[in-house]
Amino acid sequence: KQEVTQIPAALSVPEGENLVLNCSFTDSAIYNLQWFRQDPGKGLTSLLLIQSSQREQTSGRLNASLDKSSGRSTLYIAASQPGDSATYLCAASGAGSYQLTFGKGTKLSVIP
Amino acid sequence: DAEITQSPRHKITETGRQVTLACHQTWNHNNMFWYRQDLGHGLRLIHYSYGVQDTNKGEVSDGYSVSRSNTEDLPLTLESAASSQTSVYFCASSVSTGELFFGEGSRLTVL
Repeated sequence: KQEVTQIPAALSVPEGENLVLNCSFTDSAIYNLQWFRQDPGKGLTSLLLIQSSQREQTSGRLNASLDKSSGRSTLYIAASQPGDSATYLCAASGAGSYQLTFGKGTKLSVIP
Repeated sequence: DAEITQSPRHKITETGRQVTLACHQTWNHNNMFWYRQDLGHGLRLIHYSYGVQDTNKGEVSDGYSVSRSNTEDLPLTLESAASSQTSVYFCASSVSTGELFFGEGSRLTVL
């Protein structure tokens, strides 16, 4: 059974700082890994999807990497802004499965 | 724009009542999912469907059921609501790549 862990649970940084959010998973035979953003009281917004054959994906100031052998993914946010404040969730699926298992998220606060 | 909508967005009900949460997507995705989100537990999979007439149990399926009679809809039914089912419920759908897209959620309170 896939298990996903995100550390730290909360992170506070000053505006403009580059930061890395961490995600680890137990089953390296994943189908894909997806990063989401969730604002308070809202649904989840897909940020990046990394398929098992890929090592990284980029979208604007966001870069996500995947290392299956070590069971790790990172989400890099460049030049953080107050608008980046939200909870970031990582989710991984097992081999041949579309079912995503979620971590509990990292709550990011970017201080102006 | 194609989208995924959930209704009702907020509902208060009493213990023992049957409740149905609706989920409708216009992307024509085959895969649909129901999750619940609770403090301390994160998001947990309740039921999922890979196509019409296909339904499967997830991690926390006890007390819930789904049916899939067409591609667009996957209603979630709580047969006899319990206080432990107070939660925020999210419906999601995915394409063949597995990328998951979520609705805005339904907040259910069982008194």
